[in-house]
Amino acid sequence: DTGVSQNPRHKITKRGQNVTFRCDPISEHNRLYWYRQTLGQGPEFLTYFQNEAQLEKSRLLSDRFSAERPKGSFSTLEIQRTEQGDSAMYLCASSWTGGRSSGNTIYFGEGSWLTVV
Amino acid sequence: GQNIDQPTEMTATEGAIVQINCTYQTSGFNGLFWYQQHAGEAPTFLSYNVLDGLEEKGRFSSFLSRSKGYSYLLLKELQMKDSASYLCAVRHNAGKSTFGDGTTLTVKP
Repeated sequence: DTGVSQNPRHKITKRGQNVTFRCDPISEHNRLYWYRQTLGQGPEFLTYFQNEAQLEKSRLLSDRFSAERPKGSFSTLEIQRTEQGDSAMYLCASSWTGGRSSGNTIYFGEGSWLTVV
Repeated sequence: GQNIDQPTEMTATEGAIVQINCTYQTSGFNGLFWYQQHAGEAPTFLSYNVLDGLEEKGRFSSFLSRSKGYSYLLLKELQMKDSASYLCAVRHNAGKSTFGDGTTLTVKP
């Protein structure tokens, strides 16, 4: 396993279009997180899953954003009717809960860059 | 609300020691992370502190004082490759962490 995988790595879309990002976590990891990061700022929490259950969503995640993790493995983040303010890097991360180091090491993917024009 | 403060930029010399401070005021505290992020890349986990004190890991050490809402990351024997952004993040619960905006460290020869 090579780590958390995200695709596409880069996406340019026109305002108003829908986009979907996919994240494949490290295979044995049961927790999956989505963050958003813009230039010069730290990542902002969007949502996280424990297996297939979405346990928390940020208020940043407006009605235009939806995330799923249907089988508790890969996850998708969809943005509908994109706006220029959605331009950012979307980061996925995963961790394992269980055992002595439960959930304390979170591994990030390389991110998916979104540019809305 | 959540408030995490760290210096925006720092510069240090190769071979030296640098300390990057982080102060926080947050609701819900379940540990503090430090991450390294090179430009255009994903954050990489460096350390996690949940109890007060110093955790040492090779050239990097991280300190936490929960009563003071304070942490620092200490980098020893600086190398050019250590030039990066260093992110402090407070873990609130099982899932959510709040990140600072990062400290950009430039290591000069």
